[in-house]
Amino acid sequence: KQEVTQIPAALSVPEGENLVLNCSFTDSAIYNLQWFRQDPGKGLTSLLLIQSSQREQTSGRLNASLDKSSGRSTLYIAASQPGDSATYLCAAQGRYKTGANSKLTFGKGITLSVRP
Amino acid sequence: DGGITQSPKYLFRKEGQNVTLSCEQNLNHDAMYWYRQDPGQGLRLIYYSQIVNDFQKGDIAEGYSVSREKKESFPLTVTSAQKNPTAFYLCASSIIRGDEQFFGPGTRLTVL
Repeated sequence: KQEVTQIPAALSVPEGENLVLNCSFTDSAIYNLQWFRQDPGKGLTSLLLIQSSQREQTSGRLNASLDKSSGRSTLYIAASQPGDSATYLCAAQGRYKTGANSKLTFGKGITLSVRP
Repeated sequence: DGGITQSPKYLFRKEGQNVTLSCEQNLNHDAMYWYRQDPGQGLRLIYYSQIVNDFQKGDIAEGYSVSREKKESFPLTVTSAQKNPTAFYLCASSIIRGDEQFFGPGTRLTVL
């Protein structure tokens, strides 16, 4: 059964800092890995999706990397801003069509606070 | 303007009542999903549907029911059999199952 872990649960940084959010998963048989942002009381916004054959994806100040062999993904946020304050969740999509590893498994998220 | 809508935003239920949460998408996606989110926990899959007239149980289907009569709509009914229904419910869709998922704004259900 896939397990996705995000540590720490919360992070506070000063504005302008470059930061890395970590995500680890136990089963390397994934189809893709997705990073989401969630603001309080809101739905999830898809940030980046990395296919299993890719090593990284970039969108603006965000860069996500994937290392299947070590079961890790990182989300790099450059020059953080107060508007980046939110909860960031990673989720691993299982490769198989049926069974325990056929769904999107979520981590519990990292709540980021960027101080002005 | 394509997207996923959920209604209502807030829902209050008395114990013993069934309630239905609406989820509609105009993205022409085949797959749709329902998740439940509780404080301090990751999202948990309740039900999913890969195509019209087909749906499968997720990890926590007990006390819930769904239907998929139209491609655009995937309503979730929270029945009185669900022992602890107070939670934030999120609907999502993807082009096909396994592809990138897009989420609606959520419905917060509170049992009084």
